[in-house]
Amino acid sequence: AQKITQTQPGMFVQEKEAVTLDCTYDTSDPSYGLFWYKQPSSGEMIFLIYQGSYDQQNATEGRYSLNFQKARKSANLVISASQLGDSAMYFCAMREHGSGNTGKLIFGQGTTLQVKP
Amino acid sequence: DVKVTQSSRYLVKRTGEKVFLECVQDMDHENMFWYRQDPGLGLRLIYFSYDVKMKEKGDIPEGYSVSREKKERFSLILESASTNQTSMYLCASSRDGPSYEQYFGPGTRLTVT
Repeated sequence: AQKITQTQPGMFVQEKEAVTLDCTYDTSDPSYGLFWYKQPSSGEMIFLIYQGSYDQQNATEGRYSLNFQKARKSANLVISASQLGDSAMYFCAMREHGSGNTGKLIFGQGTTLQVKP
Repeated sequence: DVKVTQSSRYLVKRTGEKVFLECVQDMDHENMFWYRQDPGLGLRLIYFSYDVKMKEKGDIPEGYSVSREKKERFSLILESASTNQTSMYLCASSRDGPSYEQYFGPGTRLTVT
């Protein structure tokens, strides 16, 4: 069964506007972490933001925020004031803490974001 | 500046060849990972290692093996390359602990002809 689902294969956003990238997950582990990564066309994976399942507040990092809705099992990434450099593929990932401290991540299929000037 | 390096950005090999992909990290991380990335499938874990000489299978280990003789180096081995192993291979490392992110290398695009 798919544990991380990103339903938007591709998205467009106008420069300077905000955009939300969807991510839903499935786990029976009460303790887990959620990550978002950015992959530009150059190929390297860049860590953006982390949310722990017991964190009370939604995580924020600069223009990135994570809209964490635990009951709905969703962890959407919000990018505010989009820039041309935000054009990339974005991956949502989950770590189930019951799997130990090996740090194993489960990734979604990714969403390609294109920012229009 | 943290760094994960991979031995090649692009590699072309023939079917049946033995292929070595090398990964080195300079952050003294305990954990290291090998993924392959294919369009529409995201990243899939091949193998990971949580200590020197320790390894565990990921989701798609068939046709691959790994070696970790030193903490900073994690090698992925394709014993007999096949065309269905044409893919992007990404190495990553992380510290021990549930909230630590993985740091990725630049990737190796392997083509098997």
